[in-house]
Amino acid sequence: DTEVTQTPKHLVMGMTNKKSLKCEQHMGHRAMYWYKQKAKKPPELMFVYSYEKLSINESVPSRFSPECPNSSLLNLHLHALQPEDSALYLCATRQNFNEKLFFGSGTQLSVL
Amino acid sequence: GENVEQHPSTLSVQEGDSAVIKCTYSDSASNYFPWYKQELGKRPQLIIDIRSNVGEKKDQRIAVTLNKTAKHFSLHITETQPEDSAVYFCAASSLRYGGSQGNLIFGKGTKLSVKP
Repeated sequence: DTEVTQTPKHLVMGMTNKKSLKCEQHMGHRAMYWYKQKAKKPPELMFVYSYEKLSINESVPSRFSPECPNSSLLNLHLHALQPEDSALYLCATRQNFNEKLFFGSGTQLSVL
Repeated sequence: GENVEQHPSTLSVQEGDSAVIKCTYSDSASNYFPWYKQELGKRPQLIIDIRSNVGEKKDQRIAVTLNKTAKHFSLHITETQPEDSAVYFCAASSLRYGGSQGNLIFGKGTKLSVKP
């Protein structure tokens, strides 16, 4: 099973809303990532979890809050977002740093 | 830190022709180089990757070459088809950045258009 599943696929939210993005994998990968991708740009790293512990935070604003409840799940909690936060949010996983990185199908987020 | 440059930013070829996309990297510690294909509205999909102990790797119509001395690697697509049209990203994985679960540093992407 090489699937990384993300929900929801699309999300529209207002600037005062609280929502969460979810990512699930069953490949036993120990590194899980959140990326943000704007149109026509490469993925931009936000957070890295290694063995369920946050190992990298790329100076992401606190309105984005990651959570790794267990080795299969990764969440991204959203609160008080801005319109410029509208983007494709991608979860990704890999077993080791120089192994293949598998992306989820992404959540297309629109902030109104 | 690592920096990855990718060229060209756009590439248009006729169906059946070959396409070549080139990337250079700056960190000599980088040792893993994947290529991703991304169609509009979809996830990046890994199409081929190469490690620094290998100079070339092929998978059907796709090949990647790596020159460690010059710090550049290239994607070659032969007999292009309209379904090859997409944005292609190269990346380099550096041990120095991100500790034991190091990050991929992406190039800016190449939009490939294959005309029937």
